[in-house]
Amino acid sequence: DTAVSQTPKYLVTQMGNDKSIKCEQNLGHDTMYWYKQDSKKFLKIMFSYNNKELIINETVPNRFSPKSPDKAHLNLHINSLELGDSAVYFCASSLNGGSLYEQYFGPGTRLTVT
Amino acid sequence: DQQVKQNSPSLSVQEGRISILNCDYTNSMFDYFLWYKKYPAEGPTFLISISSIKDKNEDGRFTVFLNKSAKHLSLHIVPSQPGDSAVYFCAALNYNAGNMLTFGGGTRLMVKP
Repeated sequence: DTAVSQTPKYLVTQMGNDKSIKCEQNLGHDTMYWYKQDSKKFLKIMFSYNNKELIINETVPNRFSPKSPDKAHLNLHINSLELGDSAVYFCASSLNGGSLYEQYFGPGTRLTVT
Repeated sequence: DQQVKQNSPSLSVQEGRISILNCDYTNSMFDYFLWYKKYPAEGPTFLISISSIKDKNEDGRFTVFLNKSAKHLSLHIVPSQPGDSAVYFCAALNYNAGNMLTFGGGTRLMVKP
């Protein structure tokens, strides 16, 4: 059973298009995240979201928006795609509280914008 | 401005020996530190963590040491095995900032048989 899953695994699209990446977790976690791994392999947080609060990394363009239909899902919508959006996007989840802060990651979605 | 740095992009170790991966941070507000292991085309996998109130945490072959005054942590793997070959990321978080992880740039560990 996959704990954190993402679809699609690969996404190739043209500049200017709008696309979505889906994420689901079956761990019963209450917080979900999106990270971006750029061409230099740096992993950077984009969003943190639970049912009470959305925290946005200030460097993320407003073309990116997370949408959560329920606690188990956090989808990433990207409008007007640009070449620089090409990267691997990772979804993660965690159960916050007590002393547990480990985040569990999905397999990643490689986005290529042409 | 990188708040978490892994200054060694790669490390090569012989099987059975100790692997030591290092990580430095600049933000004194970080409360919790984690190590992740990543294989190609997969997501990072949680390995071990440590709270800022401790200086050592051990889990089997993996031990993490934290030196708060030096803002430095290290991951020791003893003994190293070929299956440990991967990219290791150090990460840190601030409890009061949404638990978002700040990652270092990673160190590629190669364990030679």
